[in-house]
Amino acid sequence: TQLLEQSPQFLSIQEGENLTVYCNSSSVFSSLQWYRQEPGEGPVLLVTVVTGGEVKKLKRLTFQFGDARKDSSLHITAAQPGDTGLYLCAGAGRNAGNMLTFGGGTRLMVKP
Amino acid sequence: GAVVSQHPSRVICKSGTSVKIECRSLDFQATTMFWYRQFPKQSLMLMATSNEGSKATYEQGVEKDKFLINHASLTLSTLTVTSAHPEDSSFYICSARDGRGVQPQHFGDGTRLSIL
Repeated sequence: TQLLEQSPQFLSIQEGENLTVYCNSSSVFSSLQWYRQEPGEGPVLLVTVVTGGEVKKLKRLTFQFGDARKDSSLHITAAQPGDTGLYLCAGAGRNAGNMLTFGGGTRLMVKP
Repeated sequence: GAVVSQHPSRVICKSGTSVKIECRSLDFQATTMFWYRQFPKQSLMLMATSNEGSKATYEQGVEKDKFLINHASLTLSTLTVTSAHPEDSSFYICSARDGRGVQPQHFGDGTRLSIL
């Protein structure tokens, strides 16, 4: 069974601060996705990382996939209230169904 | 981008009622769809994998006779919660993956099920 540990579980910061969310596993993933979910809605895909060491940027968000493809991080620069939400990392295994293993989620609150 | 439509968005019904939730891929064919359950302030828990034209694969601890899954076409999967009880109240979310190659899952907006 593949497990994905996500930290921190909860983060409350002031507007303008930076933050990093981590996802760690002992398993190797073929790819890893980051999602953002707002209350009462489904997760929305932010990015997919596939190659070990890969770094992707999406405006103020920077995503990194570990060299061994076992871990990933999401860094937000100058957080804004609109960034508030539940951030989920999900690793895709190498099985035929390519099922996702979800981290426990990080609930981010950015105060104005 | 890939769009997944889930319906209904909210259901409130009496105990003992069976509830059907639909998941449609609108602009791509999904050979595989996934059904998740999410409790408040928690992450998503995979319930089952729905494969077009074949039986669904259920995760350990998920009762297949309680949660009936039908994936009759490449764009539609349904989840029926049979004889629902208050403990079945939850947020149910489906996702679909484009059958072409290794693609990320795209999620529906979820169904909030409340059993009285």
